[in-house]
Amino acid sequence: EPEVTQTPSHQVTQMGQEVILRCVPISNHLYFYWYRQILGQKVEFLVSFYNNEISEKSEIFDDQFSVERPDGSNFTLKIRSTKLEDSAMYFCASSEESRRSTDTQYFGPGTRLTVL
Amino acid sequence: TQLLEQSPQFLSIQEGENLTVYCNSSSVFSSLQWYRQEPGEGPVLLVTVVTGGEVKKLKRLTFQFGDARKDSSLHITAAQPGDTGLYLCAGTKRGADGLTFGKGTHLIIQP
Repeated sequence: EPEVTQTPSHQVTQMGQEVILRCVPISNHLYFYWYRQILGQKVEFLVSFYNNEISEKSEIFDDQFSVERPDGSNFTLKIRSTKLEDSAMYFCASSEESRRSTDTQYFGPGTRLTVL
Repeated sequence: TQLLEQSPQFLSIQEGENLTVYCNSSSVFSSLQWYRQEPGEGPVLLVTVVTGGEVKKLKRLTFQFGDARKDSSLHITAAQPGDTGLYLCAGTKRGADGLTFGKGTHLIIQP
């Protein structure tokens, strides 16, 4: 069964460093998403991406974040200058249909980001 | 702010018992999804409900979407230790991309 994959599974970085989290969405899906989950808290939406541009972003997704689809398969989240409060699990998700449908989002296993 | 409130937050019952967990909101959602999440892993989809009043069954799990599409429930019959986990509900609003998640119900089924 097709699945969303994410690398690395765990990333440790120093405060102020840049990190890139990588995702390979399900191959025939058109919409891609990033979510984060701070330890003990609920999953929060960061950004959605469609047709090579941001479709929607939350207020969490500020100027230090960016997303890119550098090739036909990868979808990346870059954090330019990490802060301690960026420590969280970051989940990538993908869905087949457009935002106006009720299509299901499928989640990857997550990348645990630890900022020291 | 669209909130999804899940209750109870924690539930511990004996194997073989039945249980219901709830997901409530004051907002209308286009659809609602139930996920199960294991520690350190991503949410795994259980079911998506779309139509008000819709009922879906997945073996011993029964999911219902409220008539007004503001709430949902998950009922488990004859719970087993393998049902132990964190159950999350998440809703989509019309015209929006991002899912709104509840905080989840931590379920423990004791043998």
